[in-house]
Amino acid sequence: EPEVTQTPSHQVTQMGQEVILRCVPISNHLYFYWYRQILGQKVEFLVSFYNNEISEKSEIFDDQFSVERPDGSNFTLKIRSTKLEDSAMYFCASRPEGQFNYGYTFGSGTRLTVV
Amino acid sequence: QKEVEQDPGPLSVPEGAIVSLNCTYSNSAFQYFMWYRQYSRKGPELLMYTYSSGNKEDGRFTAQVDKSSKYISLFIRDSQPSDSATYLCARGIQGAQKLVFGQGTRLTINP
Repeated sequence: EPEVTQTPSHQVTQMGQEVILRCVPISNHLYFYWYRQILGQKVEFLVSFYNNEISEKSEIFDDQFSVERPDGSNFTLKIRSTKLEDSAMYFCASRPEGQFNYGYTFGSGTRLTVV
Repeated sequence: QKEVEQDPGPLSVPEGAIVSLNCTYSNSAFQYFMWYRQYSRKGPELLMYTYSSGNKEDGRFTAQVDKSSKYISLFIRDSQPSDSATYLCARGIQGAQKLVFGQGTRLTINP
């Protein structure tokens, strides 16, 4: 069964450093997403990406964050200057064309720890 | 008013029991609902989706939406230890990309 692959599974970084979280979505999917889950809290939407541009973003997704699809297979989330409160599980997801967000497939996540 | 609310549990039941998981939501037009299962150290996995009132069944799982009371439920029949996971309800709105998740209910099925 096709999977969304995320790397690394765990990343530790120092406060103020830049991190890039990587995702390989399912190959025929057209919509891409990043969500995060702070320990003990809800899964929260960060951003959606379609047709090589951001289609929707949350208030969490400020200038510190950026997304990119540098080639035909990868989808990345960059956090420019990490803060302690950025520590969370970050999930990438993708889905095919369709009216509703039914067909999401999530990756297994990257656990980001900011120290 | 919070968009989707879910009792975090934990909920522990014996194997074979019927499990009922619930969420409440605030009203919005053109919305649809999903149930996800999340095992430890994994991403959410879609179980079921529905966009209308009433019941939708898939094997041992039944999703129910009661729009009059703004309640969504997931029932698991003949529960198995492998059903032990966190169950997340989520709401989407037609035309919008984001999903709004509930807190998640941690469920343990005891053999």
